[in-house]
Amino acid sequence: AQSVTQLDSQVPVFEEAPVELRCNYSSSVSVYLFWYVQYPNQGLQLLLKYLSGSTLVKGINGFEAEFNKSQTSFHLRKPSVHISDTAEYFCAVRLNSGNTPLVFGKGTRLSVIA
Amino acid sequence: KAGVTQTPRYLIKTRGQQVTLSCSPISGHRSVSWYQQTPGQGLQFLFEYFSETQRNKGNFPGRFSGRQFSNSRSEMNVSTLELGDSALYLCASTQTGGLYEQYFGPGTRLTVT
Repeated sequence: AQSVTQLDSQVPVFEEAPVELRCNYSSSVSVYLFWYVQYPNQGLQLLLKYLSGSTLVKGINGFEAEFNKSQTSFHLRKPSVHISDTAEYFCAVRLNSGNTPLVFGKGTRLSVIA
Repeated sequence: KAGVTQTPRYLIKTRGQQVTLSCSPISGHRSVSWYQQTPGQGLQFLFEYFSETQRNKGNFPGRFSGRQFSNSRSEMNVSTLELGDSALYLCASTQTGGLYEQYFGPGTRLTVT
């Protein structure tokens, strides 16, 4: 079965600084990878997804992620964060065959400090 | 298009009671998935329904059940509530197939006292 590890539970960063949220996955077969964001009292919103092709994926709100198959990682990055980026971020994986559910990491709370 | 809607948004129940939560997917989406979110366990998959049939099921006890109607609306039911069932229950809808993203509703916050 696949699993996802988000290496940092909390990441504080100053406004306009770059940030990287780390995600590693484990799977014996090919997978699709996703990053979701959750603002307080809201559901999850998709930031970006990797299905195939280019390993550098660009998403909404200036975020991007790079799929690294050899390191089984899918780290999320943003070159300059804003206060409004303060939220919980979830990495998720699903098998690329069949109709399998998403498996989520535990989440990383990003706190942007003014 | 209207997003995924969940009702009610907040619910307080007593141990031993049962509860039914409702989810209306985005128009045209035939798959509905349910997740439980807690601070300790994170986001855990409950079950998925597609065309009124349960297609996938997570590792939850039989007290948790669901169903889907012909209009794709879905309900989940939890019987004999326990304190540990307190959580945010999220519903997500998608078009069929793994290539399509899941669109999440705002969730139902269930508190069991």
